[in-house]
Amino acid sequence: QVQLVQSGAEVKKPGASVKVSCKASGYTFTTYAIHWFRQAPGQSLEWMGWINVGNGDIKYSQKMQGRVTITTDTSATTAYMDLRSLISEDTAIYYCAKDRDVGLWRGGFWGQGTLVTVSS
Amino acid sequence: EIVLTQSPATLSVSPGERATLSCKASQSVITYVAWYQQKPGQAPRLLIHDASTRATGIPARFSGSGSGTDFTLTISSLQSEDFAVYYCQQSYEWPPFTFGPGTKVDIK
Repeated sequence: QVQLVQSGAEVKKPGASVKVSCKASGYTFTTYAIHWFRQAPGQSLEWMGWINVGNGDIKYSQKMQGRVTITTDTSATTAYMDLRSLISEDTAIYYCAKDRDVGLWRGGFWGQGTLVTVSS
Repeated sequence: EIVLTQSPATLSVSPGERATLSCKASQSVITYVAWYQQKPGQAPRLLIHDASTRATGIPARFSGSGSGTDFTLTISSLQSEDFAVYYCQQSYEWPPFTFGPGTKVDIK
């Protein structure tokens, strides 16, 4: 069955970077795009970026552009989200999610989330 | 960027009653709307996609309707496990995907 298993919780200091992984299984990794989202405590969800795993096309949120990098390792069927220059407002749960159908979001299929805490 | 507004912010309902949640888009999103349920400490759970299609395994008491700018999620008879926060999301015009601020359904 389809699974997206994310890396464990992280605690980082302001100014540091964090890299969250998303290990995919149960489907052909290169066929489905992957999105990254985040959710600050008590807030709604925020879209961060997208990667077409098949051809490497990437789109980022304007708000996050310049601080976030999304990559994949197709041999490891894993996607990564790297966020730099962390500030306290980056404290959030970070989620990866894949398109539910080929080329179609349709609500996606979500990982379990990774808590990133930014604190001095 | 398409803005989604949800109302009410909080809905107090007794078990067995009907709940009607609203989501309005700042411009037409056709039917590219999904609804999610989220409980504390859990990832969002997809309920509805394409405005009215129930996701696999979602009980029939959940239904979605609407097109253009106005969308509704209806829970026909609330069960204890349905008390949660509900979000709508559009995927018509992106980047970015956008979400509404959520409606909290709590016990009356």
